Amino acid sequence: DAGVIQSPRHEVTEMGQEVTLRCKPISGHDYLFWYRQTMMRGLELLIYFNNNVPIDDSGMPEDRFSAKMPNASFSTLKIQPSEPRDSAVYFCATRRDSYNEQFFGPGTRLTVL
Amino acid sequence: GENVEQHPSTLSVQEGDSAVIKCTYSDSASNYFPWYKQELGKRPQLIIDIRSNVGEKKDQRIAVTLNKTAKHFSLHITETQPEDSAVYFCAAGGAGGGNKLTFGTGTQLKVEL
Repeated sequence: DAGVIQSPRHEVTEMGQEVTLRCKPISGHDYLFWYRQTMMRGLELLIYFNNNVPIDDSGMPEDRFSAKMPNASFSTLKIQPSEPRDSAVYFCATRRDSYNEQFFGPGTRLTVL
Repeated sequence: GENVEQHPSTLSVQEGDSAVIKCTYSDSASNYFPWYKQELGKRPQLIIDIRSNVGEKKDQRIAVTLNKTAKHFSLHITETQPEDSAVYFCAAGGAGGGNKLTFGTGTQLKVEL
């Protein structure tokens, strides 16, 4: 198994632009989590899905952030419009229903100028 | 919601010494406590975890202890090696929230030769 796949690995954009981050979970994993990591705030959970359904989006910072999971193999996190304070590493993590361990993807390093 | 505090934020030890990192949590319903290691520029990876029905778990040079009454858990690394240098995160979860994890703020461990 290739593990959790995220794209792009690096994204540099200008303030006001739309940014879309992508995640492909490990096959058979029922839960998908989106995290943001910064020096100031550490690892924060933004939203998570169970069987493609959003369960808890209380960590989404603003309406500028949205996430979707149209099928079991794909999820997106979109920021529109982006701002410099959105600069961070965004991780996707997935797990099976019957196991606790969350497997993290390699992350997307986002820089908003 | 759950709140996890982690100490110390930085820890420097000599090679061969032991290192201890401590965490406290607030939600008595949490029942899963993983520890993740994150090397510079890499993804967090699980190194050991413990469930609330167990007081201690060991895996070679790494051990975790849990005190549910006091709501704290600790990571112990013995015979530290330079490759143990990384950021370590504790987390707590499992309170019926799909194993949503709340992470501590991380400990930068440096093992000096």
